[in-house]
Amino acid sequence: AQRVTQPEKLLSVFKGAPVELKCNYSYSGSPELFWYVQYSRQRLQLLLRHISRESIKGFTADLNKGETSFHLKKPFAQEEDSAMYYCALKNSNTGKLIFGQGTTLQVKP
Amino acid sequence: GAVVSQHPSRVICKSGTSVKIECRSLDFQATTMFWYRQFPKQSLMLMATSNEGSKATYEQGVEKDKFLINHASLTLSTLTVTSAHPEDSSFYICSARPTPLLRAAEAFFGQGTRLTVV
Repeated sequence: AQRVTQPEKLLSVFKGAPVELKCNYSYSGSPELFWYVQYSRQRLQLLLRHISRESIKGFTADLNKGETSFHLKKPFAQEEDSAMYYCALKNSNTGKLIFGQGTTLQVKP
Repeated sequence: GAVVSQHPSRVICKSGTSVKIECRSLDFQATTMFWYRQFPKQSLMLMATSNEGSKATYEQGVEKDKFLINHASLTLSTLTVTSAHPEDSSFYICSARPTPLLRAAEAFFGQGTRLTVV
């Protein structure tokens, strides 16, 4: 079964604190994973994807196949990072994106 | 960057009427588009995959006669909610995968359509 799990509905941190948004997945094939972000009143947009191994807005995510995880991390949170974050898994056969439940990140001043 | 536009962004309709939502890829072609439904503070639930020139494939539990999808061109897919009822009120989002497949790792999202059935 294909599944993406984000265990935290809400993560609240203070500005400057480290952030880790958890994502675990279940997929029988070779996974292709993404993080999407939705800022208030804006559309969903791609933040980063594991194949690029890039850092966007200070965020990184490493695919850990052993733990079937793709946690999103940032060493020092900023207020403008407050948003809804979705982890997504792409089905390589159909191209469908399977989304996790989403985590609201709240960065307090 | 690639832009996907949905229209309308907000619609209120009477119970029993039908509503059409358009999803357009503005600067790229998309053989495949996806339609999602999002409930407040919940995740995106995939409703159907829209394929240009062929029938849409629906996810389990989604009524194909209720949610009609037409993907008549490489830049336009439409979702028609037929005989709408208050329980159909939701946020509908489309996404489009660029063709050719070189960029297929990304799906670009529309801004969403807030449907309210009264």
